[in-house]
Amino acid sequence: GQNIDQPTEMTATEGAIVQINCTYQTSGFNGLFWYQQHAGEAPTFLSYNVLDGLEEKGRFSSFLSRSKGYSYLLLKELQMKDSASYLCAVSILREDSNYQLIWGAGTKLIIKP
Amino acid sequence: EAGVAQSPRYKIIEKRQSVAFWCNPISGHATLYWYQQILGQGPKLLIQFQNNGVVDDSQLPKDRFSAERLKGVDSTLKIQPAKLEDSAVYLCASSLHGEANYGYTFGSGTRLTVV
Repeated sequence: GQNIDQPTEMTATEGAIVQINCTYQTSGFNGLFWYQQHAGEAPTFLSYNVLDGLEEKGRFSSFLSRSKGYSYLLLKELQMKDSASYLCAVSILREDSNYQLIWGAGTKLIIKP
Repeated sequence: EAGVAQSPRYKIIEKRQSVAFWCNPISGHATLYWYQQILGQGPKLLIQFQNNGVVDDSQLPKDRFSAERLKGVDSTLKIQPAKLEDSAVYLCASSLHGEANYGYTFGSGTRLTVV
């Protein structure tokens, strides 16, 4: 089966760095997404990794290791507005040649002053 | 570029009643998705359309849920009759093609409360 695991909740301090991990067991891997979702709002796209390595985008970076089925999202210089849920989602190419996103349950990140 | 439009924003109904949600995707986006997101969980795909054809509806409770995408543009999702466990946020998303690396754009969602 297809499975994605990420921690349920994390707490960090304003100005610090936090790493949110995601592990997956899927077939037909076609890339991994990170989305940010503030309470009561829709998910918004943060990053997409399809090759191994680190992708940096401002204060946010995302890392992928396909051999280990592992990714992390790194948030630097944390701000209060970064308090949100962070969703890991894996894109797979199915046998019927259609793409599908498999979603993790999300990690709720709480930023404290 | 206008985003994905959804309505209504909120809906409260009694169990066994019917409800319908509407979605207008980004212009030109061929693929449209309906997701159900229960509080504290990740989104669960209910149905995926490619133009006006259904690509995946394996997780759609077909005894009570139905969806259509006439003319390959707007879509409606209906629940009839609603149950308490249908209380969730219903998200519509669209993408240019089915290929995930183009990214998905979500609408603001409809928060459904069944009492």
